[in-house]
Amino acid sequence: GAGVSQSPSNKVTEKGKDVELRCDPISGHTALYWYRQSLGQGLEFLIYFQGNSAPDKSGLPSDRFSAERTGGSVSTLTIQRTQQEDSAVYLCASSWTGATEAFFGQGTRLTVV
Amino acid sequence: QKEVEQDPGPLSVPEGAIVSLNCTYSNSAFQYFMWYRQYSRKGPELLMYTYSSGNKEDGRFTAQVDKSSKYISLFIRDSQPSDSATYLCAMRVNRGGAQKLVFGQGTRLTINP
Repeated sequence: GAGVSQSPSNKVTEKGKDVELRCDPISGHTALYWYRQSLGQGLEFLIYFQGNSAPDKSGLPSDRFSAERTGGSVSTLTIQRTQQEDSAVYLCASSWTGATEAFFGQGTRLTVV
Repeated sequence: QKEVEQDPGPLSVPEGAIVSLNCTYSNSAFQYFMWYRQYSRKGPELLMYTYSSGNKEDGRFTAQVDKSSKYISLFIRDSQPSDSATYLCAMRVNRGGAQKLVFGQGTRLTINP
């Protein structure tokens, strides 16, 4: 694809519901990152994938958060039993392994009401 | 203490001014030093990256790294209203087979015509 694609672009959900966020990386990119950006804040690291494996998931805030990647391509971030503090923009990025430049998607703006 | 510290601003300067943006860091394992630009409601895009101490110039932009002081800077010459955005410094470290990008909080910059 032309770039990193994330869906949905916006998601409003009720507190306590589960949500799934999707990331389609640039074709062939082996590394994939998920970040969270709260209003006026920098990017908070969540998880890193190398292929389908996640050697670094140290940033996941709680066991309500999980992520997977299949076929070395698409990744989904799942948040169970959403809380209001989960409201943020969730950004996905991909790159070649070892490459300096990571390309970001537009993000999914999650609002928990 | 955060691994990367960046003054969030906001910073407002007149068109044509020289802008200086800075970050400090504490982890001497950081290998690559990057500057990302993020427009409102968009994903971050890479502006410049450097590996070693010294200066790197690209058009109106100059990135500077001082590893001994753990300090990096981005200078923008002849600033334009289109430069108005949030600027994020980022640093890459490899840990146990994983690569991680650690971001500063971002500085919100406005260039006034």
